[in-house]
Amino acid sequence: DTEVTQTPKHLVMGMTNKKSLKCEQHMGHRAMYWYKQKAKKPPELMFVYSYEKLSINESVPSRFSPECPNSSLLNLHLHALQPEDSALYLCASSPMYREENTIYFGEGSWLTVV
Amino acid sequence: DQQVKQNSPSLSVQEGRISILNCDYTNSMFDYFLWYKKYPAEGPTFLISISSIKDKNEDGRFTVFLNKSAKHLSLHIVPSQPGDSAVYFCAAVSTARQLTFGSGTQLTVLP
Repeated sequence: DTEVTQTPKHLVMGMTNKKSLKCEQHMGHRAMYWYKQKAKKPPELMFVYSYEKLSINESVPSRFSPECPNSSLLNLHLHALQPEDSALYLCASSPMYREENTIYFGEGSWLTVV
Repeated sequence: DQQVKQNSPSLSVQEGRISILNCDYTNSMFDYFLWYKKYPAEGPTFLISISSIKDKNEDGRFTVFLNKSAKHLSLHIVPSQPGDSAVYFCAAVSTARQLTFGSGTQLTVLP
């Protein structure tokens, strides 16, 4: 199993809603990532978890709140988002942070904020 | 079932020579393709892209070729430099706007 599974694939939410994006991998990877990608732009790193601890927060607004309940799961909680937050949100994992030479991405969750 | 395949996990090339990285896909709904480069301990960085209406796109030392009938694209780097040593990911976007990545090819450029 070399998959990173993200749900939902598409999400439409209002600016006052609270929703969550979910990510799961069963490859035993200890590093997991959230990226944000706008249309035809490269993905931008948001958060890195290493051994279930937050290692990197790339100055992401607090309306995005990550959570790593265990080594296989990574969530991104969304609250009071803005229309400009509409984008593709990519989850990824790798065997270890800083030592990986390959990274597995999920297919992404397309988020539209209305 | 992998819809985007990079069948060579690694490639070594001498400095100054051409590097050719290959990518095959199976989904005819893909209409936009991208190449990313990734150094260890860093996120992937966008390199170059191509729309399915084109067969070639060039940016400096990097050229991407798309052969739709063969469902094949390739990235050419000329001339290769030691700083190009990284993992290169091919990715494809479907008309449903889902993004699918290949598993990556480790390029090593030898000085």
